[in-house]
Amino acid sequence: AQSVTQLDSQVPVFEEAPVELRCNYSSSVSVYLFWYVQYPNQGLQLLLKYLSGSTLVKGINGFEAEFNKSQTSFHLRKPSVHISDTAEYFCAVSRGVGKLTFGQGTILTVHP
Amino acid sequence: NAGVTQTPKFQVLKTGQSMTLQCAQDMNHNSMYWYRQDPGMGLRLIYYSASEGTTDKGEVPNGYNVSRLNKREFSLRLESAAPSQTSVYFCATQQIPNTEAFFGQGTRLTVV
Repeated sequence: AQSVTQLDSQVPVFEEAPVELRCNYSSSVSVYLFWYVQYPNQGLQLLLKYLSGSTLVKGINGFEAEFNKSQTSFHLRKPSVHISDTAEYFCAVSRGVGKLTFGQGTILTVHP
Repeated sequence: NAGVTQTPKFQVLKTGQSMTLQCAQDMNHNSMYWYRQDPGMGLRLIYYSASEGTTDKGEVPNGYNVSRLNKREFSLRLESAAPSQTSVYFCATQQIPNTEAFFGQGTRLTVV
């Protein structure tokens, strides 16, 4: 079985500040890792994914994440956030045959 | 290009009533999923269909049934709705082994 823990339920930041959303996972086998974003009253949209190769993954809207196998983490970062980044962010894992397992979500609120 | 379409978008049911949530995709993907989203719990898999003609239980299947009507359509049925089924329901599709999942806009269901 696999599980995902997002360490912060809410993260408030000011515009143009850097942000890190933390994600830890547990799994007895290799997994694929994802970050999804959900804007208010919308479905989920893929931000980025790690399948293999370079541990630093770049996604859309200036986000990036680093896979750390020894710490079983996949933290999401952005060097300078905008008001439009206000949303809920979900970390998820998969064993590669569908069936995503999601974390609890982190609500990012960017203040002017 | 509609992608993944869910109907209805909103629904209020009385306890004990039944209803079917519809999901249709025009992406020609082989796998389809139903998730429910509850505050602080992320998304949890209810049922999935790896390919046309097959369905399997996910993490929280009790109280639900599904039908994979054809490659395009995957419906979720609540036979006797309960207040605990108040949630936002998301349909997703995926083309295995391509690992990205695409989500519909969600159905917000309230059971009173």
